[in-house]
Amino acid sequence: DVKVTQSSRYLVKRTGEKVFLECVQDMDHENMFWYRQDPGLGLRLIYFSYDVKMKEKGDIPEGYSVSREKKERFSLILESASTNQTSMYLCASRRTSGIYNEQFFGPGTRLTVL
Amino acid sequence: AQKITQTQPGMFVQEKEAVTLDCTYDTSDPSYGLFWYKQPSSGEMIFLIYQGSYDQQNATEGRYSLNFQKARKSANLVISASQLGDSAMYFCAMSPNNQGGKLIFGQGTELSVKP
Repeated sequence: DVKVTQSSRYLVKRTGEKVFLECVQDMDHENMFWYRQDPGLGLRLIYFSYDVKMKEKGDIPEGYSVSREKKERFSLILESASTNQTSMYLCASRRTSGIYNEQFFGPGTRLTVL
Repeated sequence: AQKITQTQPGMFVQEKEAVTLDCTYDTSDPSYGLFWYKQPSSGEMIFLIYQGSYDQQNATEGRYSLNFQKARKSANLVISASQLGDSAMYFCAMSPNNQGGKLIFGQGTELSVKP
C-alpha cells in the first residue's frame, strides 16, 4: 500500500520561529510537492522537486524553502514563521513519467502561527 | 495564464441521485491532464479520476465519470447514485505538460449528500 507520511498532524508555533515540516514517501517516487490549502483558494503549490537535490519554485514560494537530500524525504522550511503562514500544508509525490500519473497525498499538517 | 475554476462553492444532493460538479480550465497547451480529487473531513486527498487531453472517450471509474468537453474547456465530474459517504470537498486539478507533474487546483466544491 502506497504511503506518504507527514511528521505532524497539528503544529503550533510562535511568530519568528523556524519551522520544519517533514514528508516521507515509500513509493520510490521521483517527484515531490508541497502545497498549502486555504478556504476558498484550493491548494496552491509552494515548491516541488523533480528528484534528489533538485527543487523548483511553485506559485507561492515567498517565505519558504525546501530540502531534498534523500529521494524519500522532502522538507518544507519556514525560516521565520508569520501569522499569514497559518494554514494546512499538504505533501504529495508521484512517479516522474507522463502527465497521467496521479499525485499521492499525505494526511496534511495544520500549522497555527501565533 | 493556466487556471482551474470551480464555480460551485457548495452543493446539496439527495441520496441515490446523480450530481454534477462543474470544472472549467484555461490553458493554451494542447497536451494536459485533468484530475478530480475528493477530500473528506478527515483531510486526506483521494484521487478519483483522470482524463488526458487527447483521450477520445470520457473517463469512468465506478460511480464517477468525467464529462470532458474539450472545445468548451470543461471537465465536469458526475457522481451517480450518491451515497452519504460522498459528502466531502471535491477538487478539480490540471497537470500542464512538461511542468514536472505539478497540479493547478480549483477552489473546490463542498458536496453534502442528504439522506
